[in-house]
Amino acid sequence: DAGVTQSPTHLIKTRGQQVTLRCSPKSGHDTVSWYQQALGQGPQFIFQYYEEEERQRGNFPDRFSGHQFPNYSSELNVNALLLGDSALYLCASSPKTGGNNEQYFGPGTRLTVT
Amino acid sequence: RKEVEQDPGPFNVPEGATVAFNCTYSNSASQSFFWYRQDCRKEPKLLMSVYSSGNEDGRFTAQLNRASQYISLLIRDSKLSDSATYLCVVKGSPSSASKIIFGSGTRLSIRP
Repeated sequence: DAGVTQSPTHLIKTRGQQVTLRCSPKSGHDTVSWYQQALGQGPQFIFQYYEEEERQRGNFPDRFSGHQFPNYSSELNVNALLLGDSALYLCASSPKTGGNNEQYFGPGTRLTVT
Repeated sequence: RKEVEQDPGPFNVPEGATVAFNCTYSNSASQSFFWYRQDCRKEPKLLMSVYSSGNEDGRFTAQLNRASQYISLLIRDSKLSDSATYLCVVKGSPSSASKIIFGSGTRLSIRP
């Protein structure tokens, strides 16, 4: 049973560039959420996708956008990168119905902006 | 006031000790509560959901106090492997489309 996978694992970008991060949810899950985790902080909710639409959004600027594909995988795009965007980006998946909607996290993509 | 607040620690306790963390939340309409564990430079992993009646999983006990708006995690007979950051998570409703808030985490270090 494949868990949540993310790619790439590490990424180094320059200020002003654009980045795309990818996530495949756990088998049987159809809802994907993205989080940003700065060093020493808890994960901050960016947005959540279900049925290929953004369902909820946290306090992140429009530079952060996403997409969900028919196979439930998802992408996170960040435009005009700032130094402050350096963080661990986590993807979490959950089933829409049933259970208590516990989320399962992927290993994350560590983004460094220089 | 933060929506979800945790004591950042670090808690430094000897092996075998009992340790407890609290987490307070500001939204009285919150419906779902979880504890996650995160090891250094790893992803958070679900430790346990927190139910209204309280729940236990081995050495771990979680409690919810809706009146005072806090959840707690108790770890008995702590092991060296329990050293990690413990994250409290609060969700607005069981619906998928509800806000999910993480606390900043409580660091726990178990010493031999």
